[in-house]
Amino acid sequence: DTGVSQDPRHKITKRGQNVTFRCDPISEHNRLYWYRQTLGQGPEFLTYFQNEAQLEKSRLLSDRFSAERPKGSFSTLEIQRTEQGDSAMYLCASSPPGSGVEETQYFGPGTRLLVL
Amino acid sequence: AQTVTQSQPEMSVQEAETVTLSCTYDTSESDYYLFWYKQPPSRQMILVIRQEAYKQQNATENRFSVNFQKAAKSFSLKISDSQLGDAAMYFCASRYGNKLVFGAGTILRVKS
Repeated sequence: DTGVSQDPRHKITKRGQNVTFRCDPISEHNRLYWYRQTLGQGPEFLTYFQNEAQLEKSRLLSDRFSAERPKGSFSTLEIQRTEQGDSAMYLCASSPPGSGVEETQYFGPGTRLLVL
Repeated sequence: AQTVTQSQPEMSVQEAETVTLSCTYDTSESDYYLFWYKQPPSRQMILVIRQEAYKQQNATENRFSVNFQKAAKSFSLKISDSQLGDAAMYFCASRYGNKLVFGAGTILRVKS
């Protein structure tokens, strides 16, 4: 069990550019989550996948954001036309199969995005 | 909507002493789970302890224990015999459907 991994760990981009982040969940975890964490705050939910299906999206996920999990393994989060307000830590988490409510989410190290 | 409130932005504790971090939550669910996560500086978030709401007994994990008061919707974390490695941001979270709802966090400083 190598844990949840995220790539890149840091990204600096200019306003208006597109960025893509990758998350590799713990193997055999079929549930995957994306959260956003701004400085000094707790993480906020963005979206949830069960296998390859995106089952829930937060209102925080504007039209400029898109997430995929094409084969039910790794996931990507893309932000188009980045804005300075997108600067944050983007966290990925995964959890194992189960009835859902009680399953612990295991977090990756995050990707820190800075938009200049 | 689910809300989680941590009213202590920052706490300090002397090494080897005990500290309690507070958390209150609001939920309309009858069965739910509560969690405490630890996020050390520049390191990833790890689970400290979790509590199932239907269980009367408070959860414990080594030096970490919770005081779960269901009627008051309170879920505090007690850290006994504090160690330097306990210094971190601590987040209280409630499971709401498929997502976790987090409080704003409490920074814990441990003094040697």
